[in-house]
Amino acid sequence: GQQVMQIPQYQHVQEGEDFTTYCNSSTTLSNIQWYKQRPGGHPVFLIQLVKSGEVKKQKRLTFQFGEAKKNSSLHITATQTTDVGTYFCAGDGGATNKLIFGTGTLLAVQP
Amino acid sequence: DADVTQTPRNRITKTGKRIMLECSQTKGHDRMYWYRQDPGLGLQLIYYSFDVKDINKGEISDGYSVSRQAQAKFSLSLESAIPNQTALYFCATSGGFTGELFFGEGSRLTVL
Repeated sequence: GQQVMQIPQYQHVQEGEDFTTYCNSSTTLSNIQWYKQRPGGHPVFLIQLVKSGEVKKQKRLTFQFGEAKKNSSLHITATQTTDVGTYFCAGDGGATNKLIFGTGTLLAVQP
Repeated sequence: DADVTQTPRNRITKTGKRIMLECSQTKGHDRMYWYRQDPGLGLQLIYYSFDVKDINKGEISDGYSVSRQAQAKFSLSLESAIPNQTALYFCATSGGFTGELFFGEGSRLTVL
């Protein structure tokens, strides 16, 4: 079945440093979504990418969808303590319209 | 009030007991999901439903069952709980063009 992997599993940065998490699917995706889960909270939708090679920005966050639509990345520029949490990608294979989540990357930001 | 409400929020039970986790939503969405979260494993799909008469197994449905009582209600049952079902369970809904998921606050289940 479809599998979605993320790396790294955990990253600890100093405030102000950049951060990137990578997402790889075993199958081609029709779209990919990104979610953020704060400690003790629930996942909250950040963005959806649909087109091959698509790049979207939200303030300090940059999201990319690979040309082959099998991988994606989230880059945070100049991290802040408010960026702390687990970032998940979630892929939709299209045929079944169900989202399969990646394993997540836990980001810790030291002030 | 929350758009997606899960009850109970926390539950401790013993091996072999029957447990039901309930989810209700006020978003008017047709699609509802149950996910399980374990540390390091992300969110795994248990069951999903695209309308009242449509129920589908997800990645890890063994040991679980669901009931879609109405458009707004989707319950997850563990007929005979076992310790490795100790986890955080999330209900989610989606509707509209983007398929964005809206999650409940989660139900933490501990099976002793």
